[in-house]
Amino acid sequence: SQQGEEDPQALSIQEGENATMNCSYKTSINNLQWYRQNSGRGLVHLILIRSNEREKHSGRLRVTLDTSKKSSSLLITASRAADTASYFCATLNQAGTALIFGKGTTLSVSS
Amino acid sequence: DVKVTQSSRYLVKRTGEKVFLECVQDMDHENMFWYRQDPGLGLRLIYFSYDVKMKEKGDIPEGYSVSREKKERFSLILESASTNQTSMYLCASRRVNSPLHFGNGTRLTVT
Repeated sequence: SQQGEEDPQALSIQEGENATMNCSYKTSINNLQWYRQNSGRGLVHLILIRSNEREKHSGRLRVTLDTSKKSSSLLITASRAADTASYFCATLNQAGTALIFGKGTTLSVSS
Repeated sequence: DVKVTQSSRYLVKRTGEKVFLECVQDMDHENMFWYRQDPGLGLRLIYFSYDVKMKEKGDIPEGYSVSREKKERFSLILESASTNQTSMYLCASRRVNSPLHFGNGTRLTVT
């Protein structure tokens, strides 16, 4: 069962531009997490935002959460070629026991 | 730094073989997870384990089983490998209510 869905599926930008990825989810959440996956590797946790938070920053990352719309966005500012990766949002399943991931957004940053 | 190690990066097996995918974590994490990742389908949860000798089915457990005899090790077993189990398999672990730490994955090909 897919809880989160990222949009767009793919995004291509130039270095220095900002990249915005969106995530929509279906049921109520306690928190939402974003992960990054470099090609052929495992996922790496980026940031967690709790349901009572609206915005959170970590370096060049900014995450927003709108629980009324059941959506979140991940903004990467001043992107670099090294940001090229797939980005996934994840929320807990209904039992609250395991993370369920969306299908991801593939970001390509060209220099 | 947390390390989740999957025993093989690439594995080629024949249809009908019994296949063992091994995962070891070094941070005394209680929870461990197995996902498979396929193009266009994202990550799907196969099985997870709260603690030693405990296991729970995820969204797609059919054709798989798991074993967790020791806290640090979580094995995924394909009882009789089939071609539709060709995939990237990702193991992850975490402390309760903390983000996931992933291994680098095992790319399994069943011929």
